[in-house]
Amino acid sequence: GQQLNQSPQSMFIQEGEDVSMNCTSSSIFNTWLWYKQDPGEGPVLLIALYKAGELTSNGRLTAQFGITRKDSFLNISASIPSDVGIYFCAGPGSGNTGKLIFGQGTTLQVKP
Amino acid sequence: DTEVTQTPKHLVMGMTNKKSLKCEQHMGHRAMYWYKQKAKKPPELMFVYSYEKLSINESVPSRFSPECPNSSLLNLHLHALQPEDSALYLCASSQGRYSSYNEQFFGPGTRLTVL
Repeated sequence: GQQLNQSPQSMFIQEGEDVSMNCTSSSIFNTWLWYKQDPGEGPVLLIALYKAGELTSNGRLTAQFGITRKDSFLNISASIPSDVGIYFCAGPGSGNTGKLIFGQGTTLQVKP
Repeated sequence: DTEVTQTPKHLVMGMTNKKSLKCEQHMGHRAMYWYKQKAKKPPELMFVYSYEKLSINESVPSRFSPECPNSSLLNLHLHALQPEDSALYLCASSQGRYSSYNEQFFGPGTRLTVL
C-alpha cells in the first residue's frame, strides 16, 4: 500500500538555526500537506501543495512539491522555541476516499 | 469561523461506562472524520462521514459507534472500552470527500483514559 517515509525522525537544534525535513514515497501523490502538532493538541495545517515543482511559503516555513511527485520538503528558517513539536507530512490515499496517508513524523526540539 | 471544536477536552472512564465525544464545525464542510492517535504516532483513521453518511469504517471495533446528526456535528459513542483504547481522539473536517482539495482541519482532540 501507499506509504510516506519521513526523515529525520527527530532533530535537536539551536535556536536560530535553519531546519529541513523531507517526505518520500514510492507512489505518486497529487497533493502534499504539512501539519504541525503541539503536545496534547490536534495537528494544524501549515502548508498545502498541489502542483509538481510548487514552492510555497508561510512565514518562516517553505515547502516544495517534488518534480517527481514522490517527495516533498519542509524548511524552517531561523528556528524559535515555539517551533517545537511534531511535523507530519500527509497525502491523499488512492481511490479518492478522503483518507490521508501520514508520514511517521519529525520531532523537533529547539534549544534556546 | 475556521475552527473544529471538540468536547470534552479530557475524559476518564471505566470499562463499563458509556460516554460520548462531540465534534462541531461551522466551515460548511461536508466530510468529517474520526481519528485515534497514540503518543508520538501519526493519527489513525477510524471513520469517514461524507454528506452525513458513513462512507468509511476502518474495521473499528463495535464498542466505538459514530453518529452524524447533521452536517456540522459528529459524535463518537463509547461503550465497554478497553484500557488499550486510551488515546487522543481527533475529529477533522474537509470540504468534501471528492473535493480535489484534500485539506483536513483538525480539532484539538479529546484525551481519553480508560481505567
